[in-house]
Amino acid sequence: GQQLNQSPQSMFIQEGEDVSMNCTSSSIFNTWLWYKQDPGEGPVLLIALYKAGELTSNGRLTAQFGITRKDSFLNISASIPSDVGIYFCAGRRGGETSGSRLTFGEGTQLTVNP
Amino acid sequence: DTEVTQTPKHLVMGMTNKKSLKCEQHMGHRAMYWYKQKAKKPPELMFVYSYEKLSINESVPSRFSPECPNSSLLNLHLHALQPEDSALYLCASSHVGRLVTDTQYFGPGTRLTVL
Repeated sequence: GQQLNQSPQSMFIQEGEDVSMNCTSSSIFNTWLWYKQDPGEGPVLLIALYKAGELTSNGRLTAQFGITRKDSFLNISASIPSDVGIYFCAGRRGGETSGSRLTFGEGTQLTVNP
Repeated sequence: DTEVTQTPKHLVMGMTNKKSLKCEQHMGHRAMYWYKQKAKKPPELMFVYSYEKLSINESVPSRFSPECPNSSLLNLHLHALQPEDSALYLCASSHVGRLVTDTQYFGPGTRLTVL
């Protein structure tokens, strides 16, 4: 089925460093979402992107919806220990009328060393 | 409020048991979802309910039986599960999807262990 290529698979960084991760697809999505998941918890929505070219920030997080609608990136600035977790991108085609279907990337495992 | 609640948080069951997972949301969403998630993998869609009717079943074995009693509640009935069914089960909800901004919000999940 449809897949998103998310990279990197894992990152080990020092506290205070900036982080960048991205997702690419062979087909177009009309919405890009970034979720963070802590161990044993459900994914929490960080940023939602709805327009091609859109650049959106949420505190230290910045995400962009690629102009081709086939990619998105997430940046985290000045990382802190609580940024540890798995980050998932998700794409949605849109236009459904009976519930939306998301396509997920494989996730980026982030480890922050104090 | 973007809260989806799930109970129980943890569940251990034998292969002959019958149990149920529960999910609730009060955001006025009319689409609700069940996902299964294995460790370090993305969530896999199982079922979608829209306006309390089953709209998507991703070829899930019949030992998983979903139910949507009303617009706020979603249940997943479990019977004769296998050890490989052990996973984190996530509930999500959203508006039905006509708008590009209809985003899914996830609950905290139920950690299921089948012995």
